[in-house]
Amino acid sequence: DTGVSQDPRHKITKRGQNVTFRCDPISEHNRLYWYRQTLGQGPEFLTYFQNEAQLEKSRLLSDRFSAERPKGSFSTLEIQRTEQGDSAMYLCASSADRGRGTEAFFGQGTRLTVV
Amino acid sequence: AQSVTQLGSHVSVSEGALVLLRCNYSSSVPPYLFWYVQYPNQGLQLLLKYTTGATLVKGINGFEAEFKKSETSFHLTKPSAHMSDAAEYFCAGAASGGSYIPTFGRGTSLIVHP
Repeated sequence: DTGVSQDPRHKITKRGQNVTFRCDPISEHNRLYWYRQTLGQGPEFLTYFQNEAQLEKSRLLSDRFSAERPKGSFSTLEIQRTEQGDSAMYLCASSADRGRGTEAFFGQGTRLTVV
Repeated sequence: AQSVTQLGSHVSVSEGALVLLRCNYSSSVPPYLFWYVQYPNQGLQLLLKYTTGATLVKGINGFEAEFKKSETSFHLTKPSAHMSDAAEYFCAGAASGGSYIPTFGRGTSLIVHP
């Protein structure tokens, strides 16, 4: 397994368009996280899944943001009606649920630019 | 609520000098603690982690960190900086009150001068 994979790596979109990002976690990992990172800041937690169940979504930035993880495998993050303030790096991470100190493994991120 | 604070947004050292990056956590229950490194336009890579047991934790690339409960700290050190250590470093904590979701500090940019 080559690690967490995110697609695309870069996305430029016009304001008002919808965008969707994909994350493929490490295959045996049942936890999957989405974070947003802006310049000069640490990753900001958005949502996470335990298998196919989305257990925390109150931190999604607005109702324009939604995430899915059908069948507990890959996940998608969708942003509807994009705004310039959505420009950021979107990071996906996964972890095994072997214990509470298990670390998260990160993908290389999708950099979104809204023009 | 559990949080981590990184003191100093930038740290500048000379090549061969000691590296010290500071992290303090705020939690009624000590969280699990992690240090990650991020190179430009890349994801985060785990350097080391503290869960239980030995409070001095050794990681990759010669880095280590010491968990000090009395000081609520988990500072990252490296005896001798290398040019390749220049990157962004993030401290993170995960605790029961936060469903063990990793929560990150703002990051410290390490600058290494020749």
